[in-house]
Amino acid sequence: DVKVTQSSRYLVKRTGEKVFLECVQDMDHENMFWYRQDPGLGLRLIYFSYDVKMKEKGDIPEGYSVSREKKERFSLILESASTNQTSMYLCASSPRPANEQYFGPGTRLTVT
Amino acid sequence: QKEVEQNSGPLSVPEGAIASLNCTYSDRGSQSFFWYRQYSGKSPELIMSIYSNGDKEDGRFTAQLNKASQYVSLLIRDSQPSDSATYLCAVSPWSASKIIFGSGTRLSIRP
Repeated sequence: DVKVTQSSRYLVKRTGEKVFLECVQDMDHENMFWYRQDPGLGLRLIYFSYDVKMKEKGDIPEGYSVSREKKERFSLILESASTNQTSMYLCASSPRPANEQYFGPGTRLTVT
Repeated sequence: QKEVEQNSGPLSVPEGAIASLNCTYSDRGSQSFFWYRQYSGKSPELIMSIYSNGDKEDGRFTAQLNKASQYVSLLIRDSQPSDSATYLCAVSPWSASKIIFGSGTRLSIRP
């Protein structure tokens, strides 16, 4: 079974803090994705990566950056957290770019 | 027009009946289609993939794909209360490097 893990299930941060969300997959997948999910807005793609050190902007990259130094690990960074970044953050991995994605359990981030 | 459209629901179905969830997509060249189930507060879980026209069955679930009409559907037979969840349709557009998710249909199975 594919296993995708995320560093925290719940996180509370203050406005202006730098926030790191980590995601690790154990299936040697090339492709990894970061989404946020908000009520009424569905899943929105923030960034994705199709190889180590490669990244592509998704639909809503503003205020975020990513890092992929190792194949199994994909980090999402909020440079200066703001209250409008309070959301559920979901990481996913996929064996090929347009194939099925497997999700981690999610991190519910609250920025106060 | 949204790339992947689903009726947001809620869709209420009596226990034991067939639940029918529909999804339409805009890119005629789309190749791969997926259904995910998401319980409240949890992450999406892949339940079905379908790649060619016709039906694909897996237990109580059947995915149906009609590329000419650009729709994909999910049927859940003998619906159970545990099927109450949001169902997300996802589509891989032609030459895309990612899949596009619909906004989901909330399904409620009433006893």
